[in-house]
Amino acid sequence: GENVEQHPSTLSVQEGDSAVIKCTYSDSASNYFPWYKQELGKRPQLIIDIRSNVGEKKDQRIAVTLNKTAKHFSLHITETQPEDSAVYFCAASRNSGTASKLTFGTGTRLQVTL
Amino acid sequence: DTAVSQTPKYLVTQMGNDKSIKCEQNLGHDTMYWYKQDSKKFLKIMFSYNNKELIINETVPNRFSPKSPDKAHLNLHINSLELGDSAVYFCASSQAPDTQYFGPGTRLTVL
Repeated sequence: GENVEQHPSTLSVQEGDSAVIKCTYSDSASNYFPWYKQELGKRPQLIIDIRSNVGEKKDQRIAVTLNKTAKHFSLHITETQPEDSAVYFCAASRNSGTASKLTFGTGTRLQVTL
Repeated sequence: DTAVSQTPKYLVTQMGNDKSIKCEQNLGHDTMYWYKQDSKKFLKIMFSYNNKELIINETVPNRFSPKSPDKAHLNLHINSLELGDSAVYFCASSQAPDTQYFGPGTRLTVL
């Protein structure tokens, strides 16, 4: 089955700096890669996703890049703000038909300090 | 107007008891999921239903039994609760196989 590795497990940046979180996946048939943000005691919320037919996607301060050959994808947050502090999860799945079986990474705790 | 809702939010119970968690979505999605998030925050899929049909059934003890009475509802019944079942259980839904939206979670504590 799919295996997703995520690094780093913790990341501390100063407000205004950029943050990068990296994930690798094992199943070359995976074609959907979402990123979720989970604040303390809250539900995971989708912040951005990318599909395998695209190499990069951007939404304001957040961008995701995908390298299918190397089987890795990354989350980039620019101009970080204190409210970006949370745990971020990458995930991968092979979407087909009726099911989307997401395999999650182990999470990155991002702390944005003033 | 919550999209994916779960009840209860907290559940504290003794070992050996049986308990249920309920999930409802009003997004019109056709697929629903149960995930378990352990104390180390690791999220792992347990089950998925599409239009009331079980389509994903991960390696989960058979003490866990999901039920989907209709495509807007997915319940999780747990028999003979054990200490290791303590976790946060999240329900999610999607218009398969697209983006999954998570419920607020149910924190289960087994004493």
